[in-house]
Amino acid sequence: GAVVSQHPSWVICKSGTSVKIECRSLDFQATTMFWYRQFPKQSLMLMATSNEGSKATYEQGVEKDKFLINHASLTLSTLTVTSAHPEDSSFYICSARPGTVGLDEQYFGPGTRLTVT
Amino acid sequence: KQEVTQIPAALSVPEGENLVLNCSFTDSAIYNLQWFRQDPGKGLTSLLLIQSSQREQTSGRLNASLDKSSGRSTLYIAASQPGDSATYLCAVRGGANNLFFGTGTRLTVIP
Repeated sequence: GAVVSQHPSWVICKSGTSVKIECRSLDFQATTMFWYRQFPKQSLMLMATSNEGSKATYEQGVEKDKFLINHASLTLSTLTVTSAHPEDSSFYICSARPGTVGLDEQYFGPGTRLTVT
Repeated sequence: KQEVTQIPAALSVPEGENLVLNCSFTDSAIYNLQWFRQDPGKGLTSLLLIQSSQREQTSGRLNASLDKSSGRSTLYIAASQPGDSATYLCAVRGGANNLFFGTGTRLTVIP
């Protein structure tokens, strides 16, 4: 149980284009979903937190107009990287939590490797 | 702001050895602490979750301890195997949403 999937697993796009990454909780309802970014040999950095049906909360330094997050249902959140640039190339990992209480465990997706050429 | 540090950054051991990975955090007001495993180019696999009221958790050959007052956690791996080779991350939850990750320890178990 508690499986989180991401699609696509990897994507290559040209500079200036937009790319959408999906995150799905397969066997539970995720009240809260998180998006992380991980650069090579670095740890995960939280980008934003989204609750179903409401606007995402972005961490300091993350451009909300560039990284559009939609959490339209209890099992799906999407991250759209708009007007992508080579510096956006990274490993993007989503995470989902079943409840709203802070003690619930977070379950992580397998990640999406984005390369912007 | 919570800072999480993991030592060592990299560790190489022969197969069969017992080993300890360390994690320290600056703010002891945490809800829980979690240890993850990450294989190259892959997502995270949760290994152990310790609530702030607990002292340790065990799963198979893995044992994680938590000393909240001193801001430390250790992950003990018994009888290491080549399949244990991966990066191990610890993360602390300081509030409802914030999960702070350490920089990881890259473990190599030599056959």
